[in-house]
Order: sequence, then C-alpha cells, then structure tokens
Amino acid sequence: GAVVSQHPSRVICKSGTSVKIECRSLDFQATTMFWYRQFPKQSLMLMATSNEGSKATYEQGVEKDKFLINHASLTLSTLTVTSAHPEDSSFYICSARDQGMTGELFFGEGSRLTVL
Amino acid sequence: AQSVTQPDIHITVSEGASLELRCNYSYGATPYLFWYVQSPGQGLQLLLKYFSGDTLVQGIKGFEAEFKRSQSSFNLRKPSVHWSDAAEYFCAVGSANNAGNMLTFGGGTRLMVKP
Repeated sequence: GAVVSQHPSRVICKSGTSVKIECRSLDFQATTMFWYRQFPKQSLMLMATSNEGSKATYEQGVEKDKFLINHASLTLSTLTVTSAHPEDSSFYICSARDQGMTGELFFGEGSRLTVL
Repeated sequence: AQSVTQPDIHITVSEGASLELRCNYSYGATPYLFWYVQSPGQGLQLLLKYFSGDTLVQGIKGFEAEFKRSQSSFNLRKPSVHWSDAAEYFCAVGSANNAGNMLTFGGGTRLMVKP
C-alpha cells in the first residue's frame, strides 16, 4: 500500500523555538494532505487541510500564525510550530490521499513534540 | 455536522474470545465509514472502510464491520482476538462530498487482551 512518512518521529525543543515537521508521500502524489493533533489518550483532531500550491485551510480554533503549513510539492507538506510552548506538546499526525485510489487516506507514523 | 461516538473507552477481552467495538455516527447524507487501529506511538492503519454496497465489509487482520443505517452504527467485530490486537481503535466518518477526505474521528476504544 501507499506510504506516508513523517520526520522527525520525536522532537524535544525549548519553549520559544520553532519546530518543523515534514510529511511525505513516498510512492504517490497528494494534492491534499491533512494535519491532525492528538493529545494523550484522546482522539485525533483535524487541524488543517494542506493544499499543494495554495494556502492551507485551518479548522476553527487553530491559529494559522502558530501552525504554519506549507505544501510546496505534490509529495511534501510541512507543519511548523512557531514559538512553541509546553501546551503545544502533542502527537501530530499527517495523512494524504492517493489520487489513484478511491477515498483511502494513508497516515504517517506521527511526530511526538515535547516542548520544555 | 458529522460526529462519531465510540461508547466504550476501554475494553478487555481474553485471547481467543470474540470482540465487538461499537461505533455510532451522525451524518445527514451518505457517510463514508472507516475503522483504524493505532499501536502506541504509531500512526494509524486502516482496517476497513465502507462506501457503498454490501453492508458487511471485511478488513485486514480478520476484522469485519457491519453498516446499519437504521441504527447509525458501524460496529467492528473479530471472532477470535489475538494478543497482538491490543491497541487503540478509532472509528471515523467522512463525507461522500469530498470522497471521505476530511475525517471526523471517534474518541477511540482501547483494547486490552488478557492471556
């Protein structure tokens, strides 16, 4: 099946720094990718829809200036958590849809961010 | 707005026993329904999906789910659970309007398997 890879899988940073998380579709092209956030023992909450070549669409309550999303190519979307604070610590998961397959989303393995 | 409810936060079953995880959804039109499994610290793996047609769908790892429109349910079942099935399970609903791209997830059910 199609593969979506995230990097890094774990990152620890100091408060106030920015962290970039990459999401790559390895063997297919994805015009749309999705970023989710998952708090411990909770479900996934959609943060934003990343559109190749255009601005991301953010869900209500998600700060676009805080969570910068760039979808520069058909195989790469990046999420940058700017000026990170401890409350941004979470598990971030991306997903992408294989244009050649009907309706199936493939998920990355997730990136765990810990802000000290 | 679409929503998904998984009534059971935790379920413990003995290895070899049957399993049913409940999922109820709310959506005004034809839903796309999914079950995903997540192992600790990992991403999500698709177990099965329902778009249309036969309401009983077969998935990977011996799982199946049945779509019951009258009950707005999409329960996941497995006849005999293995210890490796211990994980978090998420039911999700997507809209047919966008081919299920934007998913709404249930709260998840954590499955524990006793030896």
